[in-house]
Amino acid sequence: GAGVSQSPSNKVTEKGKDVELRCDPISGHTALYWYRQSLGQGLEFLIYFQGNSAPDKSGLPSDRFSAERTGGSVSTLTIQRTQQEDSAVYLCASSLDGAPFTYGYTFGSGTRLTVV
Amino acid sequence: AQTVTQSQPEMSVQEAETVTLSCTYDTSESNYYLFWYKQPPSRQMILVIRQEAYKQQNATENRFSVNFQKAAKSFSLKISDSQLGDTAMYFCAFISTSGTYKYIFGTGTRLKVLA
Repeated sequence: GAGVSQSPSNKVTEKGKDVELRCDPISGHTALYWYRQSLGQGLEFLIYFQGNSAPDKSGLPSDRFSAERTGGSVSTLTIQRTQQEDSAVYLCASSLDGAPFTYGYTFGSGTRLTVV
Repeated sequence: AQTVTQSQPEMSVQEAETVTLSCTYDTSESNYYLFWYKQPPSRQMILVIRQEAYKQQNATENRFSVNFQKAAKSFSLKISDSQLGDTAMYFCAFISTSGTYKYIFGTGTRLKVLA
């Protein structure tokens, strides 16, 4: 696609429910990133996929968070048993291999998750 | 570990005036890149300008320029002739050329351009 697409744009869920957030990167971009943006905070790294390599999961805050990337394209971030502190904007970005230095990331518009 | 600090949570500037946003960082790396991203209300992050650490010359993109002081680990953004469309959150970001290609972001500065 022309840009990074994220769905849903907004999601309200009840505490304890599971949610899935989807990211469709730019076609041909081998790298995909998930970040979390909490109110008043910067962007917190969650996970990074690069081609067929094992993902860098070092930023996932707990084992309730998981992500997968199928066929080197679409990615899904899953949060199980959601808590109120999970409320944030979840941003996805993609880049060509090596491009973060030259062209930066291309970001989606994010999913605003509200846990009530 | 690398850190990025933006000490100005909010700023405002009159239309057509100049404003400078501050950013400092801490790293032991010698090769890295620095970026400024803009996040308008649409939430989509937009790359404003980038700086390669090994280049002494400050980057410039139209009305946007940086003051990169490597020894002081400072990377400020100057916006000249501010426009209403510049109203947004601005994030400073660091990325090392070693390790995984992930940005370290500051907490952002909310800039409001006043008519």
